[in-house]
Amino acid sequence: DQQVKQNSPSLSVQEGRISILNCDYTNSMFDYFLWYKKYPAEGPTFLISISSIKDKNEDGRFTVFLNKSAKHLSLHIVPSQPGDSAVYFCAASLWGGNQFYFGTGTSLTVIP
Amino acid sequence: DGGITQSPKYLFRKEGQNVTLSCEQNLNHDAMYWYRQDPGQGLRLIYYSQIVNDFQKGDIAEGYSVSREKKESFPLTVTSAQKNPTAFYLCASSSPGARGTDTQYFGPGTRLTVL
Repeated sequence: DQQVKQNSPSLSVQEGRISILNCDYTNSMFDYFLWYKKYPAEGPTFLISISSIKDKNEDGRFTVFLNKSAKHLSLHIVPSQPGDSAVYFCAASLWGGNQFYFGTGTSLTVIP
Repeated sequence: DGGITQSPKYLFRKEGQNVTLSCEQNLNHDAMYWYRQDPGQGLRLIYYSQIVNDFQKGDIAEGYSVSREKKESFPLTVTSAQKNPTAFYLCASSSPGARGTDTQYFGPGTRLTVL
């Protein structure tokens, strides 16, 4: 049973435009969320996180939004760059828990 | 500099053989994890360990075994009982943050191919 879902397997965006990656979760007890970026044949690298006490967290070109009532989070990348082309995973965890639940990933292609 | 190392990057084994994947971290993290990634799927948790000499099964532990004799090391053995061992294996460790906000850091992965 997939508790974290990324329903778009792929996304293509023109360079300079905004990329919006979406993630839904089913467990209302999740209260910490992370985004990872992954290149082929490499391990994921941590990008940005948000805890449930916030609805927005920003780090440079990357902003994560959390809508707890909808059990939905999104990652915005502005402006998108070709080097952002990668697979993006969202993940969720319970408060104080060590276990993370990952989505299936969205492959982002930024077209020059 | 600190990080997580996995070796080797590519591993080939014959069907029916056990194989052990190495994972070492020098980040002084207490918790370590093993995930498996298959095409079109997310990361699925195999085993995790929150402390030395202790580990718990994840969602897909059947056919795998682990040990945690040292804080820095968390090797994974893929046994002959694992039905579909060919996959990309990722090791991670986590650092405790404020208010339970652990962040996981991943190694570069090992691609295992069983012939």
